[in-house]
Amino acid sequence: DGGITQSPKYLFRKEGQNVTLSCEQNLNHDAMYWYRQDPGQGLRLIYYSQIVNDFQKGDIAEGYSVSREKKESFPLTVTSAQKNPTAFYLCASSWGQGSNQPQHFGDGTRLSIL
Amino acid sequence: GENVEQHPSTLSVQEGDSAVIKCTYSDSASNYFPWYKQELGKRPQLIIDIRSNVGEKKDQRIAVTLNKTAKHFSLHITETQPEDSAVYFCAASITGNQFYFGTGTSLTVIP
Repeated sequence: DGGITQSPKYLFRKEGQNVTLSCEQNLNHDAMYWYRQDPGQGLRLIYYSQIVNDFQKGDIAEGYSVSREKKESFPLTVTSAQKNPTAFYLCASSWGQGSNQPQHFGDGTRLSIL
Repeated sequence: GENVEQHPSTLSVQEGDSAVIKCTYSDSASNYFPWYKQELGKRPQLIIDIRSNVGEKKDQRIAVTLNKTAKHFSLHITETQPEDSAVYFCAASITGNQFYFGTGTSLTVIP
């Protein structure tokens, strides 16, 4: 979907470094989500946000942080506390609570350790 | 919270045969069930969805059935083609709140 843009496509992290993954959407969706996908596994929820300035931890939030200052943007920071950050990260958005509509995904960011 | 289980984890079929993937969910309040197809290294794409007030939905070669009593739903692909080869994920949601995903089924269609 052209409505969700993730950048960069590939990212490398050095030891002890924080890195930030960008996610922007122009679909006017209220809700945004971050998932982590490891090889051969499903999607695990890191954080989600139903409205601006509010977000909740998902199943694997440790070592990650997010912000939601604007409706269109939901950046994810992978901190140095995340000891195994190598994965494919997917951002998604949807109309949110009260709406039975699907999530739309970005193209993903592949993060690797240097 | 909701727990979605998906089976099988891998599935191989001959071209032209049918493929069936099954998911079960635990929370009877779940009322929206999308299915996604993910090709290698790409984003998941919605292929079909069903809401709890409907028992079956069909879109060309793809159909989804929902059994609310048993809390399971299934994806059916008929006349499979090599381009159907991908990983398929089911999901469940309670009115657009969190989406809970199954662990995926890797489908291979053998020409």
